[in-house]
Amino acid sequence: NAGVIQTPRHKVTGKGQEATLWCEPISGHSAVFWYRQTIVQGLEFLTYFRNQAPIDDSGMPKERFSAQMPNQSHSTLKIQSTQPQDSAVYLCASSSEGGNTEVFFGKGTRLTVV
Amino acid sequence: QQKVQQSPESLIVPEGGMASLNCTFSDRNSQYFWWYRQHSGEGPKALMSIFSNGDKKEGRFTAHLNKASLHVSLHIKDSQPSDSALYFCAVSTNTNTGKLTFGDGTVLTVKP
Repeated sequence: NAGVIQTPRHKVTGKGQEATLWCEPISGHSAVFWYRQTIVQGLEFLTYFRNQAPIDDSGMPKERFSAQMPNQSHSTLKIQSTQPQDSAVYLCASSSEGGNTEVFFGKGTRLTVV
Repeated sequence: QQKVQQSPESLIVPEGGMASLNCTFSDRNSQYFWWYRQHSGEGPKALMSIFSNGDKKEGRFTAHLNKASLHVSLHIKDSQPSDSALYFCAVSTNTNTGKLTFGDGTVLTVKP
């Protein structure tokens, strides 16, 4: 079990460019989460899929951010027209069903917008 | 909206000492409580969970939950330099999902 796999580990984009982050959840896990981690804001929930369906995107900035899960083996987070304030570590996580089950995190993608 | 606060922000303990980390939450409907640990360059990893009031011990780690006082704590006995990391308290309200609300974290440093 390789755990949750995120690619790339590091990404540098110019201001105004698009960034796409990839996540491969643990096989068999039905829930996939995206979080963002910064020094100032800490760990913030962005969005959540269950069985590939979007369930809760209450943490997603309404403009420029979108997430998809086209199949059970991968999810993407896309940021359009990136801004310096988007610089953060983006973490993908997965779990089995139920609030009492462990959520497993990937190592994250460090996005730097210059 | 759930608010999770941790204290202290940072903590230094000697090797072999006891580290105590605290967490308060705001939603009385909270049901599942987790402690996560994150080493530099890695994602957070679950250390232990506690779902019922009282103490839960796993090796050198003991979690304590008091839902009435909206408080959960983690105590690390015989701290080791390898315990040095960022520790998060995470709370889940929904029985159906693993959506977690995290505190801001406590940086633990164990000095040899």
